[in-house]
This record gives sequence, C-alpha cells and structure tokens, in this order.
Amino acid sequence: DTAVSQTPKYLVTQMGNDKSIKCEQNLGHDTMYWYKQDSKKFLKIMFSYNNKELIINETVPNRFSPKSPDKAHLNLHINSLELGDSAVYFCASSPEKDSGSLETQYFGPGTRLLVL
Amino acid sequence: AQTVTQSQPEMSVQEAETVTLSCTYDTSENNYYLFWYKQPPSRQMILVIRQEAYKQQNATENRFSVNFQKAAKSFSLKISDSQLGDTAMYFCAFRLRGYQKVTFGTGTKLQVIP
Repeated sequence: DTAVSQTPKYLVTQMGNDKSIKCEQNLGHDTMYWYKQDSKKFLKIMFSYNNKELIINETVPNRFSPKSPDKAHLNLHINSLELGDSAVYFCASSPEKDSGSLETQYFGPGTRLLVL
Repeated sequence: AQTVTQSQPEMSVQEAETVTLSCTYDTSENNYYLFWYKQPPSRQMILVIRQEAYKQQNATENRFSVNFQKAAKSFSLKISDSQLGDTAMYFCAFRLRGYQKVTFGTGTKLQVIP
C-alpha cells in the first residue's frame, strides 16, 4: 500500500544526459511537490503542483521541468545534467489546502541521482 | 519570508534516556503549522509530530512530545526512552496555513548509543 512512490530509486548517469524521475501518489491528494536534498542534507522545495497547475516554482534552472499528467502524478525531467545536480530528490503530496486534514506532507522514498 | 533554524547539527543520547532537539523559527504570521520529520538511513522522510499554532496545548505522540513556545517562536522535540531505531536526521519544518510551501531547517543528526 505505497502512498507516494518514486522511480527509479537510484539513477547514475553521465553529464549532459537527459533523465526523468517519476512520482505517483494514491492518497487522493490535490497537491504534489518536488524537493532536492543536497549533500549537507538541506531539503529545499523546487516545485509544487495543485490539480495539475504549477503553484510554486522556486529558483530552479530551466533544465528542470516538472510535468503533471494528472493530479496523481508529478514527474521531473532534467535536461543536460550537471555534476551539481547530484542529490536526493524527494516527491511529496498533501491534501488540498485548508482542507482541515492537517496539511501534512507525505514523502516518497527519494531518488538518489549521481551525475558522473 | 519564513526561516527555520536548528542550531544542533549533531546530538547523541544513551538508549532509554531522554533527549531534546531545538528548533526556532521566524515569521510575522499568526496561523501556521510546525512539524518534526524523521529521516532514518533509509532516507524516507517520516512525519513524527505536528503542532497547530493556534493550539496552546503541546502535541504528543507516544514517546515524542513538543515544547511549543509561540511567543519565543520555539518548537523543540523531546524524545523519551530513546531507542536505537530513533537514530536518524530530524528536520523541523514550518508551513503557513493555507499555503503549500514548507520551509525546512537544516536538520539535527541524532545518534542513539546502546
């Protein structure tokens, strides 16, 4: 009964390649997120989608493009990968804002990306 | 802008003892939520406990409790009867009510020593 799932779990690739990370949630949540956790463990939000609409877009290079085909999925595509993109990427989801359901975010297991 | 500060990068505690992790935050808003997340070596982010700012009563979840001091903007986590499985990174987080963005602190690495 996985709530928020991500694939792949590990991703090793060469600089310059294009890669995608997929995220799916079966919680019926309206909002999904992508976070990046760097080597110092700092967790920073990248994007947020609510019902397939982009609502948060932090200062992230244009090489990163989120895609939400439906509200249960939020994929992250990265073009022209760079060494500094190496990190753990977390997907998360939460109920609709002000839903009264505690506005808690539920995280996926993370995808460890290593760019060589 | 909201900020969350965790001033203890690393801590250790003997098994069965009690430990307190500190967190302070800065906001000019009045309605918000505070969270503690645990990230064990498996990397999975797990919600430990949450607090609604309008509730004065401190939240408690089994061995985990918080000391929420709204005026001081402090939100510490107390772990009682520490267990080896509590070894993890602990992140304090802040979210304004009605907004999606969550701001995380830099984390505290907790080691429970047998």
